[in-house]
Amino acid sequence: KNQVEQSPQSLIILEGKNCTLQCNYTVSPFSNLRWYKQDTGRGPVSLTIMTFSENTKSNGRYTATLDADTKQSSLHITASQLSDSASYICVVSDRGSTLGRLYFGRGTQLTVWP
Amino acid sequence: EADIYQTPRYLVIGTGKKITLECSQTMGHDKMYWYQQDPGMELHLIHYSYGVNSTEKGDLSSESTVSRIRTEHFPLTLESARPSHTSQYLCASSDRTSGAPSSYNEQFFGPGTRLTVL
Repeated sequence: KNQVEQSPQSLIILEGKNCTLQCNYTVSPFSNLRWYKQDTGRGPVSLTIMTFSENTKSNGRYTATLDADTKQSSLHITASQLSDSASYICVVSDRGSTLGRLYFGRGTQLTVWP
Repeated sequence: EADIYQTPRYLVIGTGKKITLECSQTMGHDKMYWYQQDPGMELHLIHYSYGVNSTEKGDLSSESTVSRIRTEHFPLTLESARPSHTSQYLCASSDRTSGAPSSYNEQFFGPGTRLTVL
């Protein structure tokens, strides 16, 4: 069964600190993996996207890594800011259909305290 | 920021009412999607469309219906709303990302409609 599991479920850190969010998936055949940021009451916004051949991708203070062999990904946030408080969702796409089927994790709820 | 819009943003209605959630995108994308999301849970695909006059049901069974008469417009309708329909509804669209591998097919999401049925 194709699944995406994220950990931790929630995380509280102090402003300025770094943190790492984890994503494990069993989706096959794998196409790409994305990290989205979803603010409360808003739609998800894409942060990074990686294909099988890419093992790291950065977007400002966000750095995503991908290990396609172990089917694991991480999202590292550097020097956190209050505006980083949001849900971070790992999304994996398969190659099995023209639709580009997406499998969503439940997200990690990050809270940054001043 | 993606040009995809949803109205209303919030809706509180009584049981039995008919409602339509609007979704429009100005990017000329062929593919459009409707997702349902409950708090702390993953997004579930309830409807999608490959293009005009194309609609398909998603993975999660839903009593809602959709139509795609114009490329930019993908409304979702509930004929008779019930409390079990209370949820957040997210619309998305996608097309092949220019200059990127064909597998990208990135989806852009609207801000969502928070529906509460009393």
